[in-house]
Formats: sequence, C-alpha cells, structure tokens
Amino acid sequence: DTGVSQDPRHKITKRGQNVTFRCDPISEHNRLYWYRQTLGQGPEFLTYFQNEAQLEKSRLLSDRFSAERPKGSFSTLEIQRTEQGDSAMYLCASSLDGQETQYFGPGTRLLVL
Amino acid sequence: DAKTTQPPSMDCAEGRAANLPCNHSTISGNEYVYWYRQIHSQGPQYIIHGLKNNETNEMASLIITEDRKSSTLILPHATLRDTAVYYCIVRVPWGNAGNMLTFGGGTRLMVKP
Repeated sequence: DTGVSQDPRHKITKRGQNVTFRCDPISEHNRLYWYRQTLGQGPEFLTYFQNEAQLEKSRLLSDRFSAERPKGSFSTLEIQRTEQGDSAMYLCASSLDGQETQYFGPGTRLLVL
Repeated sequence: DAKTTQPPSMDCAEGRAANLPCNHSTISGNEYVYWYRQIHSQGPQYIIHGLKNNETNEMASLIITEDRKSSTLILPHATLRDTAVYYCIVRVPWGNAGNMLTFGGGTRLMVKP
C-alpha cells in the first residue's frame, strides 16, 4: 500500500491555459474524491466517484472543471481556461466501501499567473 | 452535517499532552466524530473517529462527552512533528451524506520545545 499519489505536485500556469491533474488512489479503493483548498482555509469538496461513476458534484465545480475516472482506477481533474481564482491546492482522497475513512494524497498546488 | 466549533489556535509544550477541544452541540444520533490533521503543505491525515465511546489508537485518544455535544482529542506526548492544523468533523459516514468531508477552520496546534 503506497498511499494516494498525485501528479504533478506543483503547477504554474498562465491565465487562460488548461491544466490537468492526476490522482492514483490506494489500490482496491473504489471511492475517489477531489477537494480544493485555498490558503488559510480547510479543504472544500468538489466531486466524488464510486468506481468509474461520478456520483456527486459540488456547486464549486464550474463548467470549466471536469473530472474523469475512466476505468475506475486513477482519476484526472482538468481545469479549462484557468483563472487566477483557481489558484489553490487540489487534493485527492480515496476510500473503500464499508470503510468510510478517506485517505488523502499530498495534493497538487496550482498557481495561475 | 452538524456544525463544529474549535479554538483557532493552541500551544503545547513538547512532551506534554495536547488536549484539543471540539464543540458539536447539534450532533445527531447517527453522526460520528472524526479528527483529521494537516501538517503544512501536506494532505489531511486521518487520526481517529468515534460515535459515543472513547476511542484510542496509536496516534491519539478521543474522549466524547456523555451527551455527545463535545469531544476532546488527546495527543498524549506531543512532539514537534505534531505541529499541524487539527480538524474536527461530524458526519454520517454512509449514504449520500457520507460522500464528503466538511472541514471547518480547525485548530492550529503549535508544539514548542
């Protein structure tokens, strides 16, 4: 068990560019979550997958954001036409059905210039 | 999920017990108390959770009052590496409500030599 991994750990981009982040959950964890955390605040829920199905999305997930989990394993979070307000830490977590503790990855820190 | 109230910051001397309080006066009967912590620039780390009985694991102890309106996380011998933001979260860990963690502001614990 190597834990939840995220790639990249840091990303600097210019406003208007698209970015994509990857999350690899703990193996056999069928639930995967994305959160966003801005400076000085606690993480905020974005979206949740059970296997490959995206079952819940927060109002924070604007139409510029899209998340996928095509084979029920890793997930990607894409932000199109980035804005300075998208600058944040993007956190991924995973859990196993019947064991509702979520385990977090190290996060991807995004800076939009 | 019920709302939680935590002090924004606390100090603790290295080697002493750190007692972190959390108020959750509106907790309902099927809501559990979860504690996570977040060390600077890392993802949140699960610590412990409980329903009504006191719980202990290798990291900490959780004391829940009989009326369940408050709880205390105890780190028995705090070290410098325990310096972090500690989040108390109340949730029903299953069903649709269990699909997200709602983080508040947390308590910033500073362990001092």
